Amino acid sequence: DAKTTQPNSMESNEEEPVHLPCNHSTISGTDYIHWYRQLPSQGPEYVIHGLTSNVNNRMASLAIAEDRKSSTLILHRATLRDAAVYYCILRDRGFGNEKLTFGTGTRLTIIP
Amino acid sequence: EPEVTQTPSHQVTQMGQEVILRCVPISNHLYFYWYRQILGQKVEFLVSFYNNEISEKSEIFDDQFSVERPDGSNFTLKIRSTKLEDSAMYFCASDRGSSGANVLTFGAGSRLTVL
Repeated sequence: DAKTTQPNSMESNEEEPVHLPCNHSTISGTDYIHWYRQLPSQGPEYVIHGLTSNVNNRMASLAIAEDRKSSTLILHRATLRDAAVYYCILRDRGFGNEKLTFGTGTRLTIIP
Repeated sequence: EPEVTQTPSHQVTQMGQEVILRCVPISNHLYFYWYRQILGQKVEFLVSFYNNEISEKSEIFDDQFSVERPDGSNFTLKIRSTKLEDSAMYFCASDRGSSGANVLTFGAGSRLTVL
């Protein structure tokens, strides 16, 4: 699996935007960029994913660099409930590449 | 929204006992997974399962572990003879397809405590 690099931790104030970076300089052309998060004492939860274009959903936005070697997860208005560990994971678009490999992620702390 | 259901939420067992953790994946999903997370550590892949057979397993998934889909809805993880180091959260996940375009849905987890 291609490797991703994320900061160990970040802090943000409540109700402000949060930009969580991820570097994946060895990404292949067929890798999707996935983001999951894990709230305290819960299972991982899907946030968003994309291949080349920026993506928006009800939870977040994903900005993908033009060369695809980095991406940024954007939480537009952080709430206390967004305090979690955020994982950036690459997953090949071909079938048979099944598992997700979790790294250590970024622990996001929201300051009230 | 469809969800993956896991039981029990917490199980305490004595070392050497057999444990079965149960999962009900999302009904139209075809791929099933078990992960574990030791307290304070990373989420680790254990095994993936498709078409009634294991498609991939990690080094952690040794002969003490087995998985089964006994009927059309349940997916189970059995640990034959538990060790202290098996104490962890165990997460089940399911996926409609295994390509990068698809996403995994995880359950809330089963906490296993081995004494």
